[in-house]
Amino acid sequence: EDQVTQSPEALRLQEGESSSLNCSYTVSGLRGLFWYRQDPGKGPEFLFTLYSAGEEKEKERLKATLTKKESFLHITAPKPEDSATYLCAVRRYNNNDMRFGAGTRLTVKP
Amino acid sequence: NAGVTQTPKFRVLKTGQSMTLLCAQDMNHEYMYWYRQDPGMGLRLIHYSVGEGTTAKGEVPDGYNVSRLKKQNFLLGLESAAPSQTSVYFCASSYSRDRGHEQYFGPGTRLTVT
Repeated sequence: EDQVTQSPEALRLQEGESSSLNCSYTVSGLRGLFWYRQDPGKGPEFLFTLYSAGEEKEKERLKATLTKKESFLHITAPKPEDSATYLCAVRRYNNNDMRFGAGTRLTVKP
Repeated sequence: NAGVTQTPKFRVLKTGQSMTLLCAQDMNHEYMYWYRQDPGMGLRLIHYSVGEGTTAKGEVPDGYNVSRLKKQNFLLGLESAAPSQTSVYFCASSYSRDRGHEQYFGPGTRLTVT
């Protein structure tokens, strides 16, 4: 069965303190791994899609990387506005649904 | 573009009552999805649709029904609400499989069943 595990559950950083969030997955035939950001009381907002091991994508202070077993979301010099819950999800080939992890709740203090 | 909209935003039901949640998208997406989100469990897929007139079961379909009579709308029904269905419900839409599959989410409906 497909499984997605995110760690840590919660992360508190000082502004400017870089760190990484982890998403480990077990899925046969990965079609894509997705990262989303979710603010309190809102729906998830799409950030990145990664398709194959070794791929990297960047957006402002965020960089997502993918290996055969896990993905990392690196946050460089975070700001308070980066505070949110970050979700990852996986999709298999020949399958229309997505399996989400429980998320990492990031708090960045000024 | 409004993107994905959901109505209502909040609802309180008594056990055994029924209701329908409406999702609408204006991006001409083929695929639409209904998820529920519970603390510590992430998003779980209830039902989805790959086109007008089609529906399919997701991970947790029991107690829910769906319909997709128009491409832009996807309805989620609860025939006899139970307290275990207290949750936040999200609708999402995406292009077809060959076009990346990034999902765009609505703002959510918070449902409480007493």
